[in-house]
Formats: sequence, C-alpha cells, structure tokens
Amino acid sequence: AQKVTQAQTEISVVEKEDVTLDCVYETRDTTYYLFWYKQPPSGELVFLIRRNSFDEQNEISGRYSWNFQKSTSSFNFTITASQVVDSAVYFCALKPRGMRFGAGTRLTVKP
Amino acid sequence: DAGVIQSPRHEVTEMGQEVTLRCKPISGHNSLFWYRQTMMRGLELLIYFNNNVPIDDSGMPEDRFSAKMPNASFSTLKIQPSEPRDSAVYFCASSLRGENRNSYEQYFGPGTRLTVT
Repeated sequence: AQKVTQAQTEISVVEKEDVTLDCVYETRDTTYYLFWYKQPPSGELVFLIRRNSFDEQNEISGRYSWNFQKSTSSFNFTITASQVVDSAVYFCALKPRGMRFGAGTRLTVKP
Repeated sequence: DAGVIQSPRHEVTEMGQEVTLRCKPISGHNSLFWYRQTMMRGLELLIYFNNNVPIDDSGMPEDRFSAKMPNASFSTLKIQPSEPRDSAVYFCASSLRGENRNSYEQYFGPGTRLTVT
C-alpha cells in the first residue's frame, strides 16, 4: 500500500521566517518517486521537485530546499526567508502506481 | 509552449445530465492522468493512460464515470448521469514516461470546476 502523510494541516508564519513542511511516506516498492507541488490561491498545481528513491542528496533551489531521508521515509521541504507569495497549499506526492498525494499543508505567510 | 489545456474551465449542470470534460496534454507527453479534488477527499487519482492505453482505473468512483483517450493529443472524462456529489475540481495532467519505467513530473492543467445542482 502507498500512503503519504502530511501531518501539518496549516502553518502560519511571519514573513522572513524559515518554515519546514513535513512529508512522511509509506511504500513497499524499492523504486519510487517523490514530488512536491504548490497550489496557490489561483488553484493551479505547480511542480516544484522530483526525487527518485536512489538519490538521497538534498537539493537546494533558491530559498527552497528538500531533505530526503529513506531511513525515516521522509521528504521534508524547507522555505528559507519566507515571503507572502509563498502562501499556498503544498502537496507531497508518491509514485509509481499512479500518484498518491498527501492531504496538503496550507502555508500562510503574513507580512 | 502550451501547457495542459482543459475545457471547460467551469461547468454548472443539473443532476442527471451528462458532463464531458476535455483535456489536451502537452505535446510529446505519453502519460495522461485525471484527478479530482474536493475538500473532503483531497486530490484523488481517477485514471491514467500510458500511450493512450488505460493502465489503472481503480480510482474511478463508479460506473457513471468513464474516460477515453482516442489519440495522443486528446482525452475525455465523462460523467453520466451526474450527481451533486460529483461537484469538484477535475484536473488533467500529463508527463513523460521514459524507458525503464522512469517517472517524470506531471504537469497539471488549470482544472475544470464542476458544479452539479
């Protein structure tokens, strides 16, 4: 069975704070892919990152960074120096066998 | 480059009517996915196609739902008859599926907001 858990339903921070969004997954597959998507208030789903199960290197892209740890089945997402434009719902997802999304974390960044 | 195109963007219909949602994937992509998003159930995968062939339709909620992909550039999701509980945002997404079953990121369309009264 595949499962993605995003335990944080909502997070509220003040601009310039760092924030980490948690993602824990379950799968029996040895090869799998993990993704993060952003859904801003406009409703579209925006791809942020893909990581395969053989690549545990952390990744940094500007203010965004991702920490993949197979030992704890986690793929956490950190936004450094958050901005109001980061306000959105963020989804973690797991593949193969279709794509299973977590319930999402609603991030609100206040000015 | 055009992204995934969905039509209509909004649909309001009465219970019992047939609804057809349309999707044009990104050119060159060989996998297509239909999702439904509701507050209660979040994002759910309904069905996906590889090279126009349905691979997994286990997410299709009932026989009232059907999906087709007659060619690489077009897919439909049909609900017949529609019910109020079908009200949701329906997303189409496409991706490349490489050799050795490599999975690449999915690119989503803007969604169709369906309201069944």
